[in-house]
Parts: sequence; structure tokens; C-alpha cells
Amino acid sequence: GAVVSQHPSRVICKSGTSVKIECRSLDFQATTMFWYRQFPKQSLMLMATSNEGSKATYEQGVEKDKFLINHASLTLSTLTVTSAHPEDSSFYICSARDSRTSGSSNEQFFGPGTRLTVL
Amino acid sequence: KQEVTQIPAALSVPEGENLVLNCSFTDSAIYNLQWFRQDPGKGLTSLLLIQSSQREQTSGRLNASLDKSSGRSTLYIAASQPGDSATYLCAVYWGKFQFGAGTQVVVTP
Repeated sequence: GAVVSQHPSRVICKSGTSVKIECRSLDFQATTMFWYRQFPKQSLMLMATSNEGSKATYEQGVEKDKFLINHASLTLSTLTVTSAHPEDSSFYICSARDSRTSGSSNEQFFGPGTRLTVL
Repeated sequence: KQEVTQIPAALSVPEGENLVLNCSFTDSAIYNLQWFRQDPGKGLTSLLLIQSSQREQTSGRLNASLDKSSGRSTLYIAASQPGDSATYLCAVYWGKFQFGAGTQVVVTP
């Protein structure tokens, strides 16, 4: 099956620093990747849709200047949390859609998540 | 507004019983619906994907049904085992995924 990896799996940083999270599709190409955030005991909330070679589309209420997304290749998308603050502490999960699927198939494959803790 | 609701929020059953998890959604114009399992502190494991044109999908002990007209999907897990303990998430794709809040399942030995 299709595999999506995330790196790092866990990161602790000081307030004010920036953190980069990588999302890779290991055995397929993904023109579209998605970034989600999950707070404790809550469900996943879509933050943004990342399209290879173009700007990401952000959901309402998500600051694009704070959460920088780059999708420079068909297998890699990165999310950078800039000037992180304790309220940014969360579980960040990416997903990717296989470019070979067409129409409404849209099965998405999820990464294992990255636990960000901002002190 | 497109919303996904999962009831109950939590469920505890003895081992061997069948599990029935419910998911309802507000807009029937879906592309597909996907059921996931999430273990504590972990990512998502895809269980079943049902396309808009399908009524159900089966994989081993798992069966998921889809009724677009009533805006409902049900995940059945037969003969539950302690290893089935996890949070089960329903996600509806309307051009992008909308997740339900999940049902936390505990299967007691």
C-alpha cells in the first residue's frame, strides 16, 4: 500500500523559534498533499491544501504567514511553523493523494503525525 | 454547512460482541467516505473507503455501509477483540475532507 512518512515524529522547541515538518510520499507521486492539525481529544482540522509547484490554499482562520507550506516536488511537502508559541503545540498530520488516481477516487494516505510541543 | 457527526462519542463492549459505529453527514453530495482508526498519540490507519456510487465495503471483520439519501454511514466490526480498542474516525470528502469527532472504543477482555 501507499506509504506517507513524516519527519520528525516529535519535536520540542522554545517559543519564538521556527520548526519545519516534512511530509513524504514514499512509493507514489502526490500532486496534492494536505496538512491537518489535531488538538488533544479533538478531531482533525484541515489547515491547508498543498499543490506541487503552486501556492498552498489555506482554510479560513489559518494564518498563511505563520504556517508556511512548500510543495517543491511530487513527493515532498513541508510545513514550517514560524515564531512558534505554546498555543501552536499540537499534533500535525499530513496526507497525500496518489496522482495516478483519477476522478473522485480521492483516497488519501496519511502520515504518522508530528507531535509539536512549544515551551 | 457541511458537517460530520459521530455517535456515540465513546463505547465500551466486552470481547466478542459486535461493534456498531455511526456517522452522519449533512450534505449528500459526497465524493466518498473513509473510515479510519487512530491509536493514542498515533496517526491514522485507513480501514475502508466507500465511493459515492457504492453502498458498502467489506474487509475481514469490518463492514461499512453508506446511505447518501439519509446522510449516514455505519461501521460494523464483528467479534470484537481487545486489539480493536482505538478511536474510530469517519471522514467525508466533499472536495476536501471533513472529519467527525470520533468514537472512542474500548473492548474489554
